[in-house]
Amino acid sequence: KQEVTQIPAALSVPEGENLVLNCSFTDSAIYNLQWFRQDPGKGLTSLLLIQSSQREQTSGRLNASLDKSSGRSTLYIAASQPGDSATYLCAVVKAAGNKLTFGGGTRVLVKP
Amino acid sequence: GAGVSQSPSNKVTEKGKDVELRCDPISGHTALYWYRQSLGQGLEFLIYFQGNSAPDKSGLPSDRFSAERTGGSVSTLTIQRTQQEDSAVYLCASRSTGRIQYFGPGTRLLVL
Repeated sequence: KQEVTQIPAALSVPEGENLVLNCSFTDSAIYNLQWFRQDPGKGLTSLLLIQSSQREQTSGRLNASLDKSSGRSTLYIAASQPGDSATYLCAVVKAAGNKLTFGGGTRVLVKP
Repeated sequence: GAGVSQSPSNKVTEKGKDVELRCDPISGHTALYWYRQSLGQGLEFLIYFQGNSAPDKSGLPSDRFSAERTGGSVSTLTIQRTQQEDSAVYLCASRSTGRIQYFGPGTRLLVL
């Protein structure tokens, strides 16, 4: 059974610092890995999707890397802003179209 | 365009009552997923519909939970004889032929 773990569970940084969020998964046979953002009382917003054949994906200040063999992904957020405060979730998909298996999330607070 | 919508946004019910939660996916999306997010269990998969195929019900926690999708569009998640442990946020997501699942804002269920 796939298990996804996110460390740390919570993170607080001053504005301008870079954020590093970690995600690990136990079964390396994945189809893709996705990073989501969740704001309080809201649904999930997809940030980045990395296919199993890819090593990284970038979007603006966000960069996500994937090391499938070691079962790890890292989300980097450069030059953090207070608006980046949210919970960040990673999730893996075992096969195309299948369910997402989520980690517990990292709650991020960026202090002005 | 319109995103995934869910209703009601909040539901308070008494233990033992039945509840119905509704999901309106993005128009044209053939895949629809239900997830549950609770404090103790994180975000977990419940059920998945893909076109006219038999749904993947592997995540439903008990036979009190059921879901249907009528006409390949709207879906209803029904919880019979609700228990306090059913209190959670129920999230719906839909997907077209791409890989990204788009999430609705969720229904917050509280069972008293």
